[in-house]
Amino acid sequence: GAGVSQTPSNKVTEKGKYVELRCDPISGHTALYWYRQSLGQGPEFLIYFQGTGAADDSGLPNDRFFAVRPEGSVSTLKIQRTERGDSAVYLCASSLDTGGVYNEQFFGPGTRLTVL
Amino acid sequence: AQSVSQHNHHVILSEAASLELGCNYSYGGTVNLFWYVQYPGQHLQLLLKYFSGDPLVKGIKGFEAEFIKSKFSFNLRKPSVQWSDTAEYFCAVNRRGYQKVTFGIGTKLQVIP
Repeated sequence: GAGVSQTPSNKVTEKGKYVELRCDPISGHTALYWYRQSLGQGPEFLIYFQGTGAADDSGLPNDRFFAVRPEGSVSTLKIQRTERGDSAVYLCASSLDTGGVYNEQFFGPGTRLTVL
Repeated sequence: AQSVSQHNHHVILSEAASLELGCNYSYGGTVNLFWYVQYPGQHLQLLLKYFSGDPLVKGIKGFEAEFIKSKFSFNLRKPSVQWSDTAEYFCAVNRRGYQKVTFGIGTKLQVIP
């Protein structure tokens, strides 16, 4: 079956612009996660969805970042007024229903965002 | 807040050499521990995990890791590396009952044929 897919694979934008990054999880996975990986760093947690709701958004760096998952499947990470410091690879992962117990997260290929 | 330290950022080994990558975490409560691997041009994938039980965990491709609770460590080992093990390795931790995973900075392993 298909894995986690993310589009676009690369996004170049100018400072101040708005961007949307899309994640399509593995079918049947109710949990979805966004991470950001800056150059030379490990993935940094941003937000976790269980179904349609954000169960933990403690990693979003500021109010320019927002994510939605309206139907409990595809998710969109939205960044307003982009800054050069937002340049990174944005990773999405999904897992089975956690039920309070950790389940393995399957990662997508990421979207490389470059803010000029 | 939990944090993860990986001591070696770049390791170069010859084929057949033994590997040990260090990982320490800071959280004092019950944790789940992971090693992820990212081969060149590929996605992050799970190498092995520890939830409970035997502290010596065996993963794919001959890798193993040992959880030493008193040292807050979860070091990754492989007795004899191969050129195909060239990749970046990430240690990660999450608090039991929570889904947020904290990753280390990663170790780039280069195996020379």
